[in-house]
Amino acid sequence: DAGVTQSPTHLIKTRGQHVTLRCSPISGHKSVSWYQQVLGQGPQFIFQYYEKEERGRGNFPDRFSARQFPNYSSELNVNALLLGDSALYLCASSGRTANTEAFFGQGTRLTVV
Amino acid sequence: GQNIDQPTEMTATEGAIVQINCTYQTSGFNGLFWYQQHAGEAPTFLSYNVLDGLEEKGRFSSFLSRSKGYSYLLLKELQMKDSASYLCAVIEDSNYQLIWGAGTKLIIKP
Repeated sequence: DAGVTQSPTHLIKTRGQHVTLRCSPISGHKSVSWYQQVLGQGPQFIFQYYEKEERGRGNFPDRFSARQFPNYSSELNVNALLLGDSALYLCASSGRTANTEAFFGQGTRLTVV
Repeated sequence: GQNIDQPTEMTATEGAIVQINCTYQTSGFNGLFWYQQHAGEAPTFLSYNVLDGLEEKGRFSSFLSRSKGYSYLLLKELQMKDSASYLCAVIEDSNYQLIWGAGTKLIIKP
């Protein structure tokens, strides 16, 4: 079975541009969470979606948005990119909203120049 | 507020045992995870504790004390491939989001 897949794996964008990151969860998993990980730090929670509804939102500006599709895949959108948005963006899928192991994709390395 | 503390870096010798501590202060508690993360890679699941006590899984064990807001990850028979960052994460009652520590970088020396 395929694990969590994210695309693209690497991306370079210019300040002010927008970006869309994609995630496909493990088959059968209905929960997708997004995290931002800056080098040398732990991941920071951005969003969680379960059954296509937003279940949680971290302390990120409105420039960050996400959605989940009927097939449970998800997109993370970031508008008006800042240099500080450069990070590894991780997607995790799990079977339920809580108390279950989260499986991570390989991440998307975003560099804003 | 939310706070999860782990040592920044630890060094140990191949074949030895190392204990990585994690203390947490969160508004709620619904479980604690340990993840391993090699440089440039995504985190991989190691353990989950929700009740007090020790969970053993091969060379790795994880302990939880909810009353003390404390957990540790114990790694035995260390191998060079265990060199990685070890992340402690807590699920709060609300939102079910994972709150992460900054991670402990473990360096294994021959």
